[in-house]
Amino acid sequence: GAVVSQHPSRVICKSGTSVKIECRSLDFQATTMFWYRQFPKKSLMLMATSNEGSKATYEQGVEKDKFLINHASLTLSTLTVTSAHPEDSSFYICSASSSFWMAFFGQGTRLTVV
Amino acid sequence: EDQVTQSPEALRLQEGESSSLNCSYTVSGLRGLFWYRQDPGKGPEFLFTLYSAGEEKEKERLKATLTKKESFLHITAPKPEDSATYLCAVQPPRGGGSNYKLTFGKGTLLTVNP
Repeated sequence: GAVVSQHPSRVICKSGTSVKIECRSLDFQATTMFWYRQFPKKSLMLMATSNEGSKATYEQGVEKDKFLINHASLTLSTLTVTSAHPEDSSFYICSASSSFWMAFFGQGTRLTVV
Repeated sequence: EDQVTQSPEALRLQEGESSSLNCSYTVSGLRGLFWYRQDPGKGPEFLFTLYSAGEEKEKERLKATLTKKESFLHITAPKPEDSATYLCAVQPPRGGGSNYKLTFGKGTLLTVNP
C-alpha cells in the first residue's frame, strides 16, 4: 500500500509555543490531505481538508487561526498548532488521498502541551 | 448527518474463536465503506473498501461484507496478533463538500487471548 509519513511521532511543548507537524506522501501525489484529531477511546474527528495550492476547509468548531494548515505541494502538508495549550494535547493523524476510493494514514503524532 | 455506529465497543476472544464485528450506518447515497485496523499509538491501517450491497472482500483471516444498512467484519480463527481497534468509516456521495471526506465510527477494541 501507499506510504504516508508523519513527523514527529511524539512532541512535548510548553504552553504558549507553536508546534508544526508534517505529513508526506512518499510514493504518490496526494491531491487532498486530511487532518484528524483523536481522543483516547474516541473516534477520529476530522479537523480540516486541504487541497494542494488552495486554502484548507475547516470543520465546524475548529479554530482556523489556531490550527494552521499548509498544503504547498502534492506530497507535503503541514499542521501548525499555534499558541498551544494543555487542552490541545491529543493524537493528531493525517491522511492522504489521490483518488476517492483510497485514503492512507500517517503514523500519528502524540502532542503533549505542558 | 452521516452516522456510523460500531458494536461491540470491546470484544475479547480466545485464539481460534471466530466472531464478527458490526458497523451500522446512516448515510444518504453511500459511496464507499472502509475498514481500518489501528494499533495503539499508530495511525489506521487500510483493510478494505466496499462499494455496494452484497459485496464481500477477504484478507487472510478477515472478511468484510456489506448490506444496505450495515457491514460486518468477520474474523475466522483469530490469533493474538489480530488484537487491535477496528475502525469503520463511510464516504458520502459527491457534492456534499469534500469528495474524500470519511466519517468514522468509534471502533471496536478486539483482544485475542492465546
